[in-house]
Amino acid sequence: QKEVEQNSGPLSVPEGAIASLNCTYSDRGSQSFFWYRQYSGKSPELIMSIYSNGDKEDGRFTAQLNKASQYVSLLIRDSQPSDSATYLCAAISGGYNKLIFGAGTRLAVHP
Amino acid sequence: GAGVSQSPRYKVAKRGQDVALRCDPISGHVSLFWYQQALGQGPEFLTYFQNEAQLDKSGLPSDRFFAERPEGSVSTLKIQRTQQEDSAVYLCASSLGHRTNYGYTFGSGTRLTVV
Repeated sequence: QKEVEQNSGPLSVPEGAIASLNCTYSDRGSQSFFWYRQYSGKSPELIMSIYSNGDKEDGRFTAQLNKASQYVSLLIRDSQPSDSATYLCAAISGGYNKLIFGAGTRLAVHP
Repeated sequence: GAGVSQSPRYKVAKRGQDVALRCDPISGHVSLFWYQQALGQGPEFLTYFQNEAQLDKSGLPSDRFFAERPEGSVSTLKIQRTQQEDSAVYLCASSLGHRTNYGYTFGSGTRLTVV
């Protein structure tokens, strides 16, 4: 079992809809979680971080964390075709702030 | 520079050849990480430096992989006797502190193709 699990997708949503991306993690000691966006052929770009249970909103993005369920999610409101990318969930693990990534979920927003 | 710089951007190596990949982190960043990303997968941790000290190399897949950061800034990832399974994008990331919750800034990566 990988430490961070994501559904590989693709997740297809129409323009203007809410895209919901999910992630589970196995290390109960993990305290910090991140969502990265990666366009094809590009490097990962940090879009959200979350450390406390509950919701954290930033523009059209909302990250949700439930430590009891070991579950992290990312909601993208009013999805745009430019949001089409792979979304990587990551958790800090271990004593050296090692980022452990999931395999990523590919999101396709169609007009 | 303003970001993490990696070179070369692309590298084609014949099987058995040695390669060296360079990472120039953001100035003053203490922590430096190397990741390997195979096609369709998430980045996999290779190794971590805090300044010039290599504190974690648990992700290096074999003894053909070697990394160094002798002066605590630029880092080099060396792969000896490359194999086809080494084909991947190699990503470098850096962060300001040695304990941080702010994620890391990634470079553009080096795409290595072994033929």
